Amino acid sequence: QVQLQESGPGLVKPSQTLSLTCTVSGGSISSGSYYWSWIRQPAGKGLEWIGRIYTSGSTNYNPSLKSRITISVDTSKNQFSLKLSSVTAADTAVYYCATHVGWFDPWGQGTLVTVSS
Amino acid sequence: DIQMTQSPSSLSASVGDRVTITCQASQDISKYLNWYQQKPGKAPKLLIYDASNLETGVPSRFSGSGSGTDFTFTISSLQPEDIATYYCQQYDNLPVTFGPGTKVDIK
Repeated sequence: QVQLQESGPGLVKPSQTLSLTCTVSGGSISSGSYYWSWIRQPAGKGLEWIGRIYTSGSTNYNPSLKSRITISVDTSKNQFSLKLSSVTAADTAVYYCATHVGWFDPWGQGTLVTVSS
Repeated sequence: DIQMTQSPSSLSASVGDRVTITCQASQDISKYLNWYQQKPGKAPKLLIYDASNLETGVPSRFSGSGSGTDFTFTISSLQPEDIATYYCQQYDNLPVTFGPGTKVDIK
Protein backbone atom coordinates (compact mmCIF):
# COMPACT_ATOMS: atom_id res chain seq x y z
CA GLN A 1 0.00 0.00 0.00
CA VAL A 2 1.50 3.30 -1.11
CA GLN A 3 2.15 5.87 1.60
CA LEU A 4 3.34 9.46 1.23
CA GLN A 5 5.20 11.63 3.72
CA GLU A 6 5.97 15.32 3.42
CA SER A 7 9.14 16.81 4.88
CA GLY A 8 10.79 20.21 4.97
CA PRO A 9 11.23 23.36 7.04
CA GLY A 10 8.24 24.47 9.04
CA LEU A 11 9.28 28.11 9.00
CA VAL A 12 10.30 30.17 5.98
CA LYS A 13 11.15 33.86 5.86
CA PRO A 14 9.25 36.20 3.55
CA SER A 15 10.74 36.52 0.05
CA GLN A 16 12.60 33.23 0.45
CA THR A 17 11.90 29.89 -1.23
CA LEU A 18 9.76 27.20 0.35
CA SER A 19 11.12 23.71 -0.32
CA LEU A 20 9.27 20.50 0.48
CA THR A 21 9.86 16.86 -0.36
CA CYS A 22 7.36 14.03 -0.56
CA THR A 23 8.73 10.53 0.01
CA VAL A 24 6.75 7.66 -1.46
CA SER A 25 6.92 4.28 0.25
CA GLY A 26 5.25 0.95 -0.41
CA GLY A 27 5.60 1.28 -4.16
CA SER A 28 7.73 2.76 -6.91
CA ILE A 29 7.09 6.35 -7.95
CA SER A 30 7.89 5.22 -11.48
CA SER A 31 5.27 2.48 -11.71
CA GLY A 32 1.74 2.97 -12.91
CA SER A 33 0.14 5.85 -14.75
CA TYR A 34 0.09 8.27 -11.86
CA TYR A 35 0.66 11.92 -11.39
CA TRP A 36 2.08 13.19 -8.14
CA SER A 37 0.52 16.37 -6.84
CA TRP A 38 0.93 19.10 -4.25
CA ILE A 39 -2.12 20.66 -2.59
CA ARG A 40 -2.25 23.28 0.15
CA GLN A 41 -4.75 24.45 2.73
CA PRO A 42 -4.48 27.69 4.75
CA ALA A 43 -5.73 27.37 8.30
CA GLY A 44 -9.53 27.27 8.39
CA LYS A 45 -9.81 27.52 4.61
CA GLY A 46 -10.33 25.29 1.59
CA LEU A 47 -8.05 23.23 -0.60
CA GLU A 48 -5.92 24.63 -3.43
CA TRP A 49 -4.21 22.44 -6.01
CA ILE A 50 -0.67 23.66 -6.61
CA GLY A 51 0.56 21.41 -9.39
CA ARG A 52 1.58 17.91 -10.44
CA ILE A 53 4.36 15.94 -12.04
CA TYR A 54 4.35 12.73 -14.04
CA THR A 55 7.17 10.24 -13.66
CA SER A 56 8.43 11.29 -17.09
CA GLY A 57 9.04 14.72 -15.57
CA SER A 58 6.22 16.53 -17.35
CA THR A 59 4.48 19.06 -15.13
CA ASN A 60 1.24 21.02 -14.86
CA TYR A 61 0.96 24.01 -12.56
CA ASN A 62 -1.90 26.08 -11.24
CA PRO A 63 -1.80 29.33 -13.24
CA SER A 64 -2.36 31.29 -10.03
CA LEU A 65 1.06 30.12 -8.78
CA LYS A 66 2.81 29.12 -11.98
CA SER A 67 5.43 31.86 -12.01
CA ARG A 68 6.68 30.81 -8.57
CA ILE A 69 6.45 26.98 -8.66
CA THR A 70 8.86 24.25 -9.56
CA ILE A 71 7.94 20.60 -9.07
CA SER A 72 10.57 17.95 -9.70
CA VAL A 73 10.93 14.19 -9.28
CA ASP A 74 13.84 12.02 -8.17
CA THR A 75 12.96 8.46 -9.10
CA SER A 76 16.17 7.10 -7.56
CA LYS A 77 15.02 8.32 -4.16
CA ASN A 78 11.30 7.67 -4.76
CA GLN A 79 10.63 11.34 -4.03
CA PHE A 80 9.11 14.39 -5.62
CA SER A 81 9.61 17.97 -4.51
CA LEU A 82 8.03 21.40 -4.47
CA LYS A 83 9.77 24.74 -4.58
CA LEU A 84 7.71 27.91 -4.15
CA SER A 85 9.67 31.13 -4.52
CA SER A 86 9.14 34.64 -3.19
CA VAL A 87 6.85 33.52 -0.41
CA THR A 88 4.63 35.83 1.60
CA ALA A 89 2.40 35.34 4.62
CA ALA A 90 -0.35 34.30 2.18
CA ASP A 91 1.62 31.12 1.48
CA THR A 92 1.29 29.97 5.09
CA ALA A 93 -0.62 26.71 4.92
CA VAL A 94 -0.61 22.98 5.45
CA TYR A 95 0.98 21.45 2.37
CA TYR A 96 -0.07 17.99 1.25
CA CYS A 97 1.35 15.66 -1.33
CA ALA A 98 -0.91 13.10 -2.98
CA THR A 99 -1.14 10.50 -5.69
CA HIS A 100 -3.22 11.95 -8.50
CA VAL A 101 -5.33 9.84 -10.85
CA GLY A 102 -8.05 12.36 -11.46
CA TRP A 103 -8.83 11.94 -7.80
CA PHE A 104 -6.29 12.30 -5.03
CA ASP A 105 -5.60 9.11 -3.12
CA PRO A 106 -3.65 8.50 -1.00
CA TRP A 107 -2.55 11.74 0.67
CA GLY A 108 0.36 12.46 2.94
CA GLN A 109 -0.41 13.60 6.45
CA GLY A 110 0.44 17.20 5.59
CA THR A 111 3.08 19.58 6.87
CA LEU A 112 2.50 23.08 8.20
CA VAL A 113 4.67 25.77 6.66
CA THR A 114 4.59 29.20 8.24
CA VAL A 115 5.98 32.23 6.45
CA SER A 116 7.24 34.70 9.00
CA SER A 117 10.33 36.72 9.80
CA ASP B 1 -10.81 27.91 -14.16
CA ILE B 2 -13.91 25.89 -13.36
CA GLN B 3 -15.59 27.28 -10.27
CA MET B 4 -17.15 24.83 -7.82
CA THR B 5 -19.86 25.83 -5.39
CA GLN B 6 -21.31 23.78 -2.54
CA SER B 7 -24.42 24.14 -0.48
CA PRO B 8 -25.04 24.41 2.29
CA SER B 9 -21.78 25.73 3.73
CA SER B 10 -22.66 24.05 7.01
CA LEU B 11 -25.40 21.89 8.43
CA SER B 12 -26.42 20.37 11.70
CA ALA B 13 -28.34 17.09 11.76
CA SER B 14 -29.30 14.35 14.17
CA VAL B 15 -27.80 10.88 14.29
CA GLY B 16 -29.68 8.72 11.79
CA ASP B 17 -30.75 11.64 9.60
CA ARG B 18 -30.32 11.66 5.86
CA VAL B 19 -27.86 14.39 4.86
CA THR B 20 -27.54 15.83 1.37
CA ILE B 21 -24.88 18.18 0.02
CA THR B 22 -24.95 19.66 -3.45
CA CYS B 23 -22.04 20.69 -5.63
CA GLN B 24 -22.36 22.76 -8.78
CA ALA B 25 -19.73 23.33 -11.46
CA SER B 26 -19.51 26.52 -13.50
CA GLN B 27 -19.45 24.42 -16.68
CA ASP B 28 -20.11 20.87 -17.81
CA ILE B 29 -17.62 18.50 -16.18
CA SER B 30 -19.30 15.25 -17.25
CA LYS B 31 -18.76 12.71 -14.45
CA TYR B 32 -15.34 14.02 -13.36
CA LEU B 33 -16.31 14.89 -9.82
CA ASN B 34 -14.94 13.47 -6.57
CA TRP B 35 -15.95 13.80 -2.91
CA TYR B 36 -13.66 13.92 0.14
CA GLN B 37 -14.14 13.87 3.89
CA GLN B 38 -11.77 15.88 6.07
CA LYS B 39 -11.66 15.63 9.85
CA PRO B 40 -9.85 18.29 11.91
CA GLY B 41 -6.08 17.99 11.74
CA LYS B 42 -6.23 15.22 9.14
CA ALA B 43 -5.70 14.96 5.42
CA PRO B 44 -8.78 14.66 3.22
CA LYS B 45 -9.99 11.14 2.55
CA LEU B 46 -11.43 10.07 -0.80
CA LEU B 47 -15.00 8.80 -0.47
CA ILE B 48 -16.53 8.95 -3.96
CA TYR B 49 -14.83 9.16 -7.35
CA ASP B 50 -16.28 9.83 -10.79
CA ALA B 51 -19.48 11.18 -9.25
CA SER B 52 -20.94 7.91 -8.03
CA ASN B 53 -18.26 5.30 -7.40
CA LEU B 54 -17.70 4.37 -3.77
CA GLU B 55 -14.03 4.08 -2.84
CA THR B 56 -13.03 0.67 -1.48
CA GLY B 57 -13.59 0.42 2.25
CA VAL B 58 -15.93 3.40 2.49
CA PRO B 59 -19.25 2.64 4.24
CA SER B 60 -22.23 2.20 1.96
CA ARG B 61 -24.19 4.94 3.73
CA PHE B 62 -22.16 7.37 1.59
CA SER B 63 -23.26 7.85 -2.01
CA GLY B 64 -22.95 10.30 -4.87
CA SER B 65 -24.86 11.10 -8.02
CA GLY B 66 -25.06 13.59 -10.84
CA SER B 67 -23.37 14.58 -14.07
CA GLY B 68 -22.77 17.69 -16.10
CA THR B 69 -22.92 20.63 -13.71
CA ASP B 70 -25.01 19.36 -10.79
CA PHE B 71 -23.95 16.75 -8.27
CA THR B 72 -25.26 15.40 -4.98
CA PHE B 73 -23.53 13.71 -2.06
CA THR B 74 -25.65 11.83 0.46
CA ILE B 75 -25.13 10.26 3.85
CA SER B 76 -28.13 7.96 4.25
CA SER B 77 -27.94 7.71 8.02
CA LEU B 78 -25.65 10.19 9.76
CA GLN B 79 -23.28 8.67 12.32
CA PRO B 80 -21.25 10.49 15.00
CA GLU B 81 -18.01 9.59 13.20
CA ASP B 82 -19.24 11.44 10.08
CA ILE B 83 -18.62 14.82 11.72
CA ALA B 84 -16.27 16.44 9.22
CA THR B 85 -15.99 18.88 6.35
CA TYR B 86 -16.87 17.50 2.92
CA TYR B 87 -15.33 18.79 -0.30
CA CYS B 88 -16.14 18.20 -3.96
CA GLN B 89 -13.36 18.35 -6.58
CA GLN B 90 -13.47 18.47 -10.37
CA TYR B 91 -10.82 17.17 -12.70
CA ASP B 92 -12.40 17.70 -16.10
CA ASN B 93 -10.10 20.67 -16.73
CA LEU B 94 -6.85 21.92 -15.28
CA PRO B 95 -6.40 23.49 -12.86
CA VAL B 96 -8.10 20.95 -10.65
CA THR B 97 -10.47 22.87 -8.38
CA PHE B 98 -12.27 22.12 -5.14
CA GLY B 99 -15.54 23.32 -3.71
CA PRO B 100 -15.39 25.51 -0.59
CA GLY B 101 -16.54 22.70 1.67
CA THR B 102 -19.58 21.78 3.75
CA LYS B 103 -19.14 21.40 7.48
CA VAL B 104 -21.37 18.71 8.98
CA ASP B 105 -22.00 18.39 12.69
CA ILE B 106 -24.41 16.70 15.06
CA LYS B 107 -27.46 18.52 16.35
